[in-house]
This record gives sequence, C-alpha cells and structure tokens, in this order.
Amino acid sequence: TQLLEQSPQFLSIQEGENLTVYCNSSSVFSSLQWYRQEPGEGPVLLVTVVTGGEVKKLKRLTFQFGDARKDSSLHITAAQPGDTGLYLCAGRYRDDKIIFGKGTRLHILP
Amino acid sequence: DSGVTQTPKHLITATGQRVTLRCSPRSGDLSVYWYQQSLDQGLQFLIQYYNGEERAKGNILERFSAQQFPDLHSELNLSSLELGDSALYFCASSDYRGYTFGSGTRLTVV
Repeated sequence: TQLLEQSPQFLSIQEGENLTVYCNSSSVFSSLQWYRQEPGEGPVLLVTVVTGGEVKKLKRLTFQFGDARKDSSLHITAAQPGDTGLYLCAGRYRDDKIIFGKGTRLHILP
Repeated sequence: DSGVTQTPKHLITATGQRVTLRCSPRSGDLSVYWYQQSLDQGLQFLIQYYNGEERAKGNILERFSAQQFPDLHSELNLSSLELGDSALYFCASSDYRGYTFGSGTRLTVV
C-alpha cells in the first residue's frame, strides 16, 4: 500500500512563532504538491516541487523536497492567523497516480 | 473562484436514497477527477474521466458511478446511501502543476 504520512496531525501555536510540518513516504515521487484547505472550500495548490533537494519560497512559506524525492517539509516563519487551515501534501508517481496525505491541521492563535 | 463549479453545495438525504452531484471543469479542461474527503480517510481518489471516457478508477464503491457528458460536465451518482457515505465530495481539473479543486458538495446521510 502506498502511503504518505503527514506530521504532526494537529498543531496549535501562537502568532509569530515558526513551525515545520512534514510529509514522508517510503516511495519515490516524480513530484510533490502542497495544498491548503480552509473550512467549506476545496484544497488550493500552494506549490509543486519536482527536483530532489529543491527549495521553493512563497512569502513566509518555505517548501523543501527531500534529496531522494521521498519526503518534503513546509516551514512557516512568523505564523499569522491567516495561515490557519489544513495543509495537505500529495505525491505524484511516475505513472501519474497521485496520493494525498491526511493533512496537518494548523491553528494559529492571535 | 477556481473555475471548477460544483453543485449543490450541501445535500442532506436519508439512508437508501440516491443523489447526483454535478461538476463543471475549468473551461478547456478535458479531465475531471472525483475525490471523497472524510475526517478519518482524508482525500480518496474515486474516478477520473477524460473527454467522456473513464480514464482511471480508485476506491470507488459499486454503489457509486460517474459519467462525463459531451459538454464535459460530469455527474457522480451515489445510490443506496449509507451513513458512512457522509463526506465532502470534490471534483477537480488537473494540469502539470497539480489539481484545481471545486468548492465541494457536503453530503450528509441521515
């Protein structure tokens, strides 16, 4: 069974703190995507990483793809209440099949 | 607005009933993907259609079926509904970067 594990499942921190969430698998991906989902809405694509070791930045969000393309991390600097949401990672295999992790539910306290 | 339109937004129905969820993909997109999201299982791929033809099948129950019409809109039919079918149902378009999701249909089976 192909699995994508996300950790932690839940994270509640104060505004202004930094945090990192993780996405891990034993499988190699051709690319990996991160999404953010807010209540009552569909997931919204934040970034796609393709190359092992790749780092992409989106304002205060830094995404890294592991060298072996099996894992990824999302680091948020100086978290704000607007960052609250469910963060999902999704791995794409060479046959174009995509699997999603169950997500990290992030809550930023003002 | 993601460009992917889903109706209805909410649906409440009784066990044993049948419902139809509707999706219009982004203009020009030939593919439609259907996903089910529940708290315990996360986002689960159900089925993909491409230009009217079934392209890939995931964890879709036999009680569920889908089709894509010549105008590219798609319908997901859920029959003999059970309490456990209560979930969010999303459709999505896809390109090389990732998915664009609609805002979903929240199905509650009572």
